[in-house]
Amino acid sequence: QKEVEQDPGPLSVPEGAIVSLNCTYSNSAFQYFMWYRQYSRKGPELLMYTYSSGNKEDGRFTAQVDKSSKYISLFIRDSQPSDSATYLCAMSALDSGGYQKVTFGIGTKLQVIP
Amino acid sequence: DTEVTQTPKHLVMGMTNKKSLKCEQHMGHRAMYWYKQKAKKPPELMFVYSYEKLSINESVPSRFSPECPNSSLLNLHLHALQPEDSALYLCASSQGRDGETQYFGPGTRLLVL
Repeated sequence: QKEVEQDPGPLSVPEGAIVSLNCTYSNSAFQYFMWYRQYSRKGPELLMYTYSSGNKEDGRFTAQVDKSSKYISLFIRDSQPSDSATYLCAMSALDSGGYQKVTFGIGTKLQVIP
Repeated sequence: DTEVTQTPKHLVMGMTNKKSLKCEQHMGHRAMYWYKQKAKKPPELMFVYSYEKLSINESVPSRFSPECPNSSLLNLHLHALQPEDSALYLCASSQGRDGETQYFGPGTRLLVL
């Protein structure tokens, strides 16, 4: 079993739709939970991060973490064509080397159709 | 400012060449990372410098050699690469032990002929 599971998609939605992206994980040591957006041939861009269960909102984006179920979600409201990208969930735990080791999901490719 | 810069943006090299990738951050972060990303795959960690201490991923071939001249700079020296090393090379930084998030640079797209 992979430490982080994410559906690769692709996911196609019409403009204005609510998008739900999800990941599950198995490692209870994960402390921080992140969502990155990656446009084609570009570096990942940090969208949101959190370390506690519950919801965190930033504009059209809401990140949700349920540690008891080992499940995280990203919701995008009023989706726009510019949201078309690959969304990577990521989780980190302190490594013995003294840094936060990040484990990524495989990424979900999202296409928002005008 | 959460910017990580990388140079060059693109690099084409032969298998006998020696080249270097450069990364810079001015956020005062104490940990810097090199990742390799192949198409349709997530980033794979290659090296970490945390508080000037190198952590090595033992699966990384010796033809890749990292260098951290100071806490703001990170280099990746490349020598005798193989075509399968063609990928997007990403640099990232974080605050360090309690740095919960990593900020990525735009990457260097490397093609090995």
